[in-house]
Amino acid sequence: GAGVSQTPSNKVTEKGKYVELRCDPISGHTALYWYRQSLGQGPEFLIYFQGTGAADDSGLPNDRFFAVRPEGSVSTLKIQRTERGDSAVYLCASSSQGSQDTQYFGPGTRLTVL
Amino acid sequence: KQEVTQIPAALSVPEGENLVLNCSFTDSAIYNLQWFRQDPGKGLTSLLLIQSSQREQTSGRLNASLDKSSGRSTLYIAASQPGDSATYLCAVRPNNNDMRFGAGTRLTVKP
Repeated sequence: GAGVSQTPSNKVTEKGKYVELRCDPISGHTALYWYRQSLGQGPEFLIYFQGTGAADDSGLPNDRFFAVRPEGSVSTLKIQRTERGDSAVYLCASSSQGSQDTQYFGPGTRLTVL
Repeated sequence: KQEVTQIPAALSVPEGENLVLNCSFTDSAIYNLQWFRQDPGKGLTSLLLIQSSQREQTSGRLNASLDKSSGRSTLYIAASQPGDSATYLCAVRPNNNDMRFGAGTRLTVKP
């Protein structure tokens, strides 16, 4: 596609539920990033993939958060036992290779945990 | 830990004014610095990327400078227009992997 896409655009769930957020990067981009943005703040790094592997997951807040990218393209961010504090906009970005390249962001998924 | 600060948090100017947005970071060891624009409810759009070896980048009415030694970057917008109204985010890349963002400057350009 022309850009990074994310689904769903909005997700409302109840505390304690499991959610999956999907990211489709720009075709051919090997690097993929997940960020979380709370209201009035800049995005906060969660995890970085180079190809199929998580090269850096140091930003994941705890073990309830997990992300996969099994074929080196689409990625899924998974959150178990959601808490109200998980409510935020989850942004995905991709770049063609890595650190020297511009990151292109998707529109984000707004997650609301009731 | 790298901290990124953007001043001012909000700015309102009349159309046609030239303006400067400021970004400061605490650790000068960075790979690059990037300025983004974010419209309400939307993702981020990259405006300018400055590599650590560069001093500035220009695109149309936008000019971004980088002074690594002092930990500062500025985004200069010439002849501002109402369509420039958005939140402008500065991000530094301290390593190969992640980016550290400031909280942004919310710009309003009044017709």
